Parts: sequence; C-alpha cells; structure tokens
Amino acid sequence: GNSVTQMEGPVTLSEEAFLTINCTYTATGYPSLFWYVQYPGEGLQLLLKATKADDKGSNKGFEATYRKETTSFHLEKGSVQVSDSAVYFCALSRLGSYIPTFGRGTSLIVHP
Amino acid sequence: SAVISQKPSRDICQRGTSLTIQCQVDSQVTMMFWYRQQPGQSLTLIATANQGSEATYESGFVIDKFPISRPNLTFSTLTVSNMSPEDSSIYLCSVGGEGNEQFFGPGTRLTVL
Repeated sequence: GNSVTQMEGPVTLSEEAFLTINCTYTATGYPSLFWYVQYPGEGLQLLLKATKADDKGSNKGFEATYRKETTSFHLEKGSVQVSDSAVYFCALSRLGSYIPTFGRGTSLIVHP
Repeated sequence: SAVISQKPSRDICQRGTSLTIQCQVDSQVTMMFWYRQQPGQSLTLIATANQGSEATYESGFVIDKFPISRPNLTFSTLTVSNMSPEDSSIYLCSVGGEGNEQFFGPGTRLTVL
C-alpha cells in the first residue's frame, strides 16, 4: 500500500536558518506529491506540489523536488522566519484519487 | 481553489451528547471529505460524502457514530454522536481540486468533558 514517512519533530531553528524536512514515500505507480502546512489554530493549506519525476514545486520560498530514484520529496527553505512556525505534512495521491495518504506531520518552531 | 467554511469553529461538550458540524463550500463539488485529527497526530479520513448517495466510511468509522448528510453540492454535515472524551479532536472537511490536491476548511475543535 501507499505510505509516507516524515522526519520526527519538533524541528527548532533560529530565524534565517536553512530548513530541510525529510519526506520519503512508498507507492505503486506514479503518485502526485504534496506538502501541506497547518498554522496554529487553522486547517491545512496546500503549500506546494509536484506531479511527476524531477518536477520542483515551490511557494513562499519553500521548494521540494520529486525524486523518483530515492522516492523522496524533501521540503527546503533557505531562510526561515518566525511566521513559518507550523506543522508541515507530506502527502501523496495516486492518479485519479482524491484521497491522499498523509505523513505524521513535522512541527517547525522558529525562534527570533 | 475552493473556499470552505465550517461551523462551529470550536465547542466544549458533555459526554453522551451529540454535535453537528457544518461545512460550506463556495462552489459546487461532487465529493466532500471528513477527517479527524487527534491531538498532535496526522489526519484520518472518516468518510467520503457524495451528493445524493450514502457516505462511504473508512475502516473503524460507522454511520451510527458519525452520520453524514450531503443535501446539495455545496454543503455537508457531520454529526459526532454519543460523545466520549476520546472524540476530542479537530474535525476537518475538505474537497478535491483538479490536480488531486485537497482544500481544507479551518476545522472544528471539539473538546468532550
């Protein structure tokens, strides 16, 4: 079956530090890959996505590249801000399916 | 994208009572989804709600405990019945996008005493 594995949190960084949150997946076929962000007290928002191998999704300074050879979709940002403090969820969705498989989520805490 | 609202945003309820959560979408959609997010956990799909048919429940969730209505293409309700403290969670509704992504409502934060 499908599964998504994320690094455990919390990840604690100082402002302007470099961020990497690891995500690897197991899936049949060629899924679409997503990162969602959940700010405190809110629902999930789509942050970025990639639909095929070597695609790079990007948004708000965050990037992730669909690596089929390593079945990974690591989230990166060059310089985090306090406002980036949130829980980040990696997810995959098979073609034709609206029901994603979510990772456990990684909490990011950014200190001033 | 879709804009989704939920009511109530939060509630504190007594055990044994029921709470109905409303989900409103700003456009017509075929499928709506209900999720539960227990404290510090990921999302668990409760059921898929299609307009004009019975909801499809995931393993571990039953209609008697989580009845769902889907009266039209922009609205759905989820009822949490006969609540216990274990039902304390965030309940989220969502709809699918064209690229297999999902758009989520802000969630309903439920505490059962």
